[in-house]
Amino acid sequence: DAKTTQPNSMESNEEEPVHLPCNHSTISGTDYIHWYRQLPSQGPEYVIHGLTSNVNNRMASLAIAEDRKSSTLILHRATLRDAAVYYCILGLGGATNKLIFGTGTLLAVQP
Amino acid sequence: DVKVTQSSRYLVKRTGEKVFLECVQDMDHENMFWYRQDPGLGLRLIYFSYDVKMKEKGDIPEGYSVSREKKERFSLILESASTNQTSMYLCASSFLAGGPYEQYFGPGTRLTVT
Repeated sequence: DAKTTQPNSMESNEEEPVHLPCNHSTISGTDYIHWYRQLPSQGPEYVIHGLTSNVNNRMASLAIAEDRKSSTLILHRATLRDAAVYYCILGLGGATNKLIFGTGTLLAVQP
Repeated sequence: DVKVTQSSRYLVKRTGEKVFLECVQDMDHENMFWYRQDPGLGLRLIYFSYDVKMKEKGDIPEGYSVSREKKERFSLILESASTNQTSMYLCASSFLAGGPYEQYFGPGTRLTVT
C-alpha cells in the first residue's frame, strides 16, 4: 500500500497561515490525496481531497505538486480550534473508498 | 447532519469475555468501517463492509469478526477479549459508487480489557 510521510508535530500562531506538508512518493495514478483531522476526544473529520489539481473549500486549501509526490494542506488563518492531529491519506483507487491512515501531524496553535 | 453513533463511549470487559461494539449510521451509506486507534500507531483498519452481509478484512482482522445484517448497522465482535485489544475503536461510514466520498466517523468507544 502506498504510504505517506508527515512531520510528527508542528506549531503555529493564531491567525497565521499554516502549511502542513505530506510526502507520498509511491503514489499511483488513481490514488486520491485525502486530508482528515482529529480534534481531541473526537473521531476524525474530513477536511479536503484532491487528485491532480489544487482544491479549495471552506476549511482549507490543498496544493498538489505537479509530479503528485507531495502535497500541502493550507489553513489560511489558524484558530485555536484548529489544534488537532492532521492525517494525509492516500485513498486507493477503486470503489471501496478504503483509506490507509498514518500517524499524522500534531498541530499546536499558540494564542 | 450525518450521524454515526456508537453504542458506548467507554467499556470495561474482562479477559475472555465476548464483546459486541455496535455502530449505526443514518445516511443510507453503503460502506461501513471499523478501525482501532493506538498511541504511536494511528488508525488501523480492522474490517469494512460495502453491503449488507458483505465484509472484507482490513489490515488487522485477527481476533475480530463483524456482522452486517442491516444496511445501517455494523457490529464488531471480539469473540474472546484479550488485554492487547484494549484500544479506542472507531466506526465510520461513507457512500460507495462514484466516489471518492468522505468517511464520517463516530465518537469512538474506549475499550479496556482487564
